[in-house]
Amino acid sequence: EAQVTQNPRYLITVTGKKLTVTCSQNMNHEYMSWYRQDPGLGLRQIYYSMNVEATDKGDVPEGYKVSRKEKRNFPLILESPSPNQTSLYFCASSASRGVGETQYFGPGTRLLVL
Amino acid sequence: AQSVTQLDSQVPVFEEAPVELRCNYSSSVSVYLFWYVQYPNQGLQLLLKYLSGSTLVKSINGFEAEFNKSQTSFHLRQPSVHIRDTAEYFCAVSNTGGFKTIFGAGTRLFVKA
Repeated sequence: EAQVTQNPRYLITVTGKKLTVTCSQNMNHEYMSWYRQDPGLGLRQIYYSMNVEATDKGDVPEGYKVSRKEKRNFPLILESPSPNQTSLYFCASSASRGVGETQYFGPGTRLLVL
Repeated sequence: AQSVTQLDSQVPVFEEAPVELRCNYSSSVSVYLFWYVQYPNQGLQLLLKYLSGSTLVKSINGFEAEFNKSQTSFHLRQPSVHIRDTAEYFCAVSNTGGFKTIFGAGTRLFVKA
């Protein structure tokens, strides 16, 4: 089954404790992206990747890091989480550059930073 | 800069009634337009999209949206809603030359029996 998977689905952590949210897709997609969803704000893009070793900042990159060493994986790293990073996070992928292409979303990771 | 405005944050409606979810965008260049739907506790999935050609686009479950360039709108309509259509709907825009997609704040559709 074609899908985007994220782990963990739920995470409670404390301020300053480094964490990684994994994202993997099995559709051989070139383009991958991370979004955060907050009430009243919709989805805002954090980082995106056009292909392996090619990443760029989205609209809200502060406090986040990403890497794309393999085509299928695009982990999101929070080096020192803060309470304002409490949110619902989605990973998405699409076949090519993303513009005009359908994005396929993972199930989401709900993060609470205390 | 591009932006997307969804004019209604919540829309309650009775089953089998028609509904329109409004979306306006701003952009100085040509755009692609999307509607995504998020069912409770799930990720987003594409409902329909406009890339070019006919300005009226339709989904397999009866939703349709019309691209209106002069009014910079892409409103979503359903002639007869069902309980199963209860979800959050997101309008999104991306320009034809970039890598980013901008999402609206979402509209929660509540369908009541």
